[in-house]
Amino acid sequence: DTGVSQNPRHKITKRGQNVTFRCDPISEHNRLYWYRQTLGQGPEFLTYFQNEAQLEKSRLLSDRFSAERPKGSFSTLEIQRTEQGDSAMYLCALNTTPNPGTPLLGNTIYFGEGSWLTVV
Amino acid sequence: GQQVMQIPQYQHVQEGEDFTTYCNSSTTLSNIQWYKQRPGGHPVFLIQLVKSGEVKKQKRLTFQFGEAKKNSSLHITATQTTDVGTYFCAFNAGNNRKLIWGLGTSLAVNP
Repeated sequence: DTGVSQNPRHKITKRGQNVTFRCDPISEHNRLYWYRQTLGQGPEFLTYFQNEAQLEKSRLLSDRFSAERPKGSFSTLEIQRTEQGDSAMYLCALNTTPNPGTPLLGNTIYFGEGSWLTVV
Repeated sequence: GQQVMQIPQYQHVQEGEDFTTYCNSSTTLSNIQWYKQRPGGHPVFLIQLVKSGEVKKQKRLTFQFGEAKKNSSLHITATQTTDVGTYFCAFNAGNNRKLIWGLGTSLAVNP
């Protein structure tokens, strides 16, 4: 159990369509990150939330990308007018000082299982 | 900006042989983290090193952080087929602690 649930796990879409990915942490936390990973590469940072505030956005995040975290819990990443170059795995990660009783280790980063996007 | 280089890019070993991957930076790093990613899977956190010259062990895995905090290594003793995957080093950059990743070393183990 990674402590982070991502949906959908796989998405095949036609070029030009919009897609949305969702990240649901299992426990309260404050730091949430989105990364993108293509085959043969390491993950690349996209954006960071502290609670509900989006505090940093990578230059990789074009205006077709938007991310939200409306209540400081779950987060969504939307890609509008998808292009074939958007094909990648989109990873959500959380970093937290855990509340007592939660199973997560302190100061450890947990990744979700990722959402694979294929744009055809 | 800051980045890390990992070598080798690929490594094939016979089961039981040792394996080492290296992570190098041209600048001093505040910390280094290591992750393992199985084929088709997501990165799984292994360890974080923060102190100059730090050495940590996890069973057959030994992690080192250089004295100058510019390089790190992961050594696996007596590899097993379960060690197959890509090993990434990464470090926290900036106030928001985003991770900057190396390209990874893919390990294949022949039984």
